[in-house]
Amino acid sequence: AQKITQTQPGMFVQEKEAVTLDCTYDTSDQSYGLFWYKQPSSGEMIFLIYQGSYDEQNATEGRYSLNFQKARKSANLVISASQLGDSAMYFCAMRENTGGFKTIFGAGTRLFVKA
Amino acid sequence: DSGVTQTPKHLITATGQRVTLRCSPRSGDLSVYWYQQSLDQGLQFLIQYYNGEERAKGNILERFSAQQFPDLHSELNLSSLELGDSALYFCASSVGFLRGADTQYFGPGTRLTVL
Repeated sequence: AQKITQTQPGMFVQEKEAVTLDCTYDTSDQSYGLFWYKQPSSGEMIFLIYQGSYDEQNATEGRYSLNFQKARKSANLVISASQLGDSAMYFCAMRENTGGFKTIFGAGTRLFVKA
Repeated sequence: DSGVTQTPKHLITATGQRVTLRCSPRSGDLSVYWYQQSLDQGLQFLIQYYNGEERAKGNILERFSAQQFPDLHSELNLSSLELGDSALYFCASSVGFLRGADTQYFGPGTRLTVL
């Protein structure tokens, strides 16, 4: 069965430093997509980055990169040069591309950026 | 602004009542998703439609129903409301690719409070 695990309920990082948010997943599908979303205190869900299961290179989008380790079934989000505006809830999500096409989200990690 | 619109923004109603939440997808997107976000359950996938047809079903209660209309807007109907249905309901839309980066873009959400 599909499962997404984010083991860090909350994390602190100093402004301008890098931070890694962990995400592990479980699926029996060979084809799937992994996503990260940011939810600030205002409540909206903002798409950050995508990684496909067949992508050989790690995805990058500006200050965001995804450390994809397929054998370990992990898809950690790395935020470089943290900014105060990065303080938010971060969700990892997975969509299987066969069968049910369901998307499931992890419980989230709340990131606090300190000045 | 993701381009996904949801109405109303806030809804306050009583137990036993029925409400309808509305969503308009981004221009060009054929797929619509509904999610429920509550404090104790996190972000739960409810249902997905593609071009008017149901594509995937998640943890949607029998008291809830949804549909996607020919103009691609979608409605989520919640009936016999209970206190536990109080949550933030998100709509998301995507192009609807079966594979690849079929990124979901989220609307601002409808905050439902059941008293």
